[in-house]
Amino acid sequence: DTEVTQTPKHLVMGMTNKKSLKCEQHMGHRAMYWYKQKAKKPPELMFVYSYEKLSINESVPSRFSPECPNSSLLNLHLHALQPEDSALYLCASSQAEDTQYFGPGTRLTVL
Amino acid sequence: GESVGLHLPTLSVQEGDNSIINCAYSNSASDYFIWYKQESGKGPQFIIDIRSNMDKRQGQRVTVLLNKTVKHLSLQIAATQPGDSAVYFCAENSGGYQKVTFGIGTKLQVIP
Repeated sequence: DTEVTQTPKHLVMGMTNKKSLKCEQHMGHRAMYWYKQKAKKPPELMFVYSYEKLSINESVPSRFSPECPNSSLLNLHLHALQPEDSALYLCASSQAEDTQYFGPGTRLTVL
Repeated sequence: GESVGLHLPTLSVQEGDNSIINCAYSNSASDYFIWYKQESGKGPQFIIDIRSNMDKRQGQRVTVLLNKTVKHLSLQIAATQPGDSAVYFCAENSGGYQKVTFGIGTKLQVIP
């Protein structure tokens, strides 16, 4: 099983809403990642969790709050987002410092 | 700052021909490079990788070449097929393997 799953596939939210994105992998990978990708742009790293601990935060605004409940799950909690936060949010996982495998993403629209 | 970039934003290739997608990188300390394929509406898909102690690596219909002297990376796709149409990103590790920086991407269009 080399699959990373993400839910939901699409999400529309208002600027006052609170929502969460979910990511799951069952490959035994110990590193998990959140990326943001705007249209026609490359993915940009947001957060890295290694062994369930936050190891990299790329100066992401606090309205994005990551959480790693266990080694298979990664959440991204969203609150008070802005329209410019609309993007494709990608989750990835890797075995330590090995190749990263990506999920299909969640297409987020902030109204 | 350090960056990874591509020479051609769009590449059109006849079906059956070989494709070459190029990438320039500027971080001389990078020692791990990856090529990803991203189809419309999907996440990036790993194609092939190469470490800096190699200059060539082959996969199924794909070959990656690394020239550290001129900091250049290329992806060669043999006998390009319509299913190869996608955006291709080169990526490099920076600050440890977990921190991967993507190049700007090249859109490959295969003409039937």
